[in-house]
Amino acid sequence: GAGVSQSPSNKVTEKGKDVELRCDPISGHTALYWYRQRLGQGLEFLIYFQGNSAPDKSGLPSDRFSAERTGESVSTLTIQRTQQEDSAVYLCASSSLAGAGGELFFGEGSRLTVL
Amino acid sequence: AQRVTQPEKLLSVFKGAPVELKCNYSYSGSPELFWYVQYSRQRLQLLLRHISRESIKGFTADLNKGETSFHLKKPFAQEEDSAMYYCALRRPGGSNYKLTFGKGTLLTVNP
Repeated sequence: GAGVSQSPSNKVTEKGKDVELRCDPISGHTALYWYRQRLGQGLEFLIYFQGNSAPDKSGLPSDRFSAERTGESVSTLTIQRTQQEDSAVYLCASSSLAGAGGELFFGEGSRLTVL
Repeated sequence: AQRVTQPEKLLSVFKGAPVELKCNYSYSGSPELFWYVQYSRQRLQLLLRHISRESIKGFTADLNKGETSFHLKKPFAQEEDSAMYYCALRRPGGSNYKLTFGKGTLLTVNP
């Protein structure tokens, strides 16, 4: 595809359930980011993948959050035992370090609502 | 630690008026700074970056190291400029390309 693709676009779940969010980055982009945007808040960094390097997990808010990326392709963000405060839009972005100064290209986000 | 502060959560101006969206940062070195914009029902996208010294859609931003600021300015606002604007910082070089974003400013340009 031409851009970063995220699925699902909307997810409503019950407190305590696990959810999995998916991100398909732009082909060839080595860097992939996950951010969280709570209502009325800014972008909160969650995790960063760069090639085969160890991911920067410093933004994950708790051990209920985890993310994986297979090579330089798809990434999944998993939230276990969801809580109401997890409700937010989860944004994925990818970038190529080869040029354009590392501009981030964002997906449309996955809106998570925890009831 | 690096930090980006956008002091105004909301900013409202009339069409044709000048607009300035404030951004202050804390970082001990020489950072790379960016402005990202999100129009209604569109994806977050890059507006401009300080190293390019470019003007995009009439917007400019100057890095002021003395004041650690990177304010976004436009002399004559248009209604289509209404959007959410995020200032972002990245440490230069190295292997950490993580972008730190401010909380954003919602700009409304009234007719």
